[in-house]
Amino acid sequence: QKEVEQNSGPLSVPEGAIASLNCTYSDRGSQSFFWYRQYSGKSPELIMFIYSNGDKEDGRFTAQLNKASQYVSLLIRDSQPSDSATYLCAVGGARSGGGADGLTFGKGTHLIIQP
Amino acid sequence: DTAVSQTPKYLVTQMGNDKSIKCEQNLGHDTMYWYKQDSKKFLKIMFSYNNKELIINETVPNRFSPKSPDKAHLNLHINSLELGDSAVYFCASSQWSSGYTFGSGTRLTVV
Repeated sequence: QKEVEQNSGPLSVPEGAIASLNCTYSDRGSQSFFWYRQYSGKSPELIMFIYSNGDKEDGRFTAQLNKASQYVSLLIRDSQPSDSATYLCAVGGARSGGGADGLTFGKGTHLIIQP
Repeated sequence: DTAVSQTPKYLVTQMGNDKSIKCEQNLGHDTMYWYKQDSKKFLKIMFSYNNKELIINETVPNRFSPKSPDKAHLNLHINSLELGDSAVYFCASSQWSSGYTFGSGTRLTVV
């Protein structure tokens, strides 16, 4: 049974600070890793994906992957109140890259950015 | 144009009824999925279809049946609805290595 673990929060961060979200996964064969943001009552939207160990940056967002530790993180720099949402970590199997195998989602971390 | 569209957005029905949710994607993706999000916001895969073939069928009751008339459509039919089926159902599509694009969701309430 593949599992993806996240702290449910809420994680409260002051505006302008760095928000750090963490995720661990159980399946060592996992090859693709995704972060989704979900606002209340809305559908998940893809923020970033990462396949290789190390950091990947996109604007204010940085995804970090450590396959040896089975750990994925998302950093949000210069946090804004509009970043307040639930952040879902998702992990894909070896042959998917997000394709036919499907993704296993964590239960999400509720992030609150305080003005 | 909405990339992944699903209808209806809200569905309220009585126990024992049969209902369908429709999903269409115009992204040209090869794979489509149905996910269920429960009251605790846990998102769990139900089915995926790749080129009209069922790839995954997780341990969902056989009252749920996916139907895909073509690569752009994946509908979900539910027989004999139960109270526990109340949830938000999301359709999604993906292409290799691109991640998922989700539809706006269907909030199903069984009374």
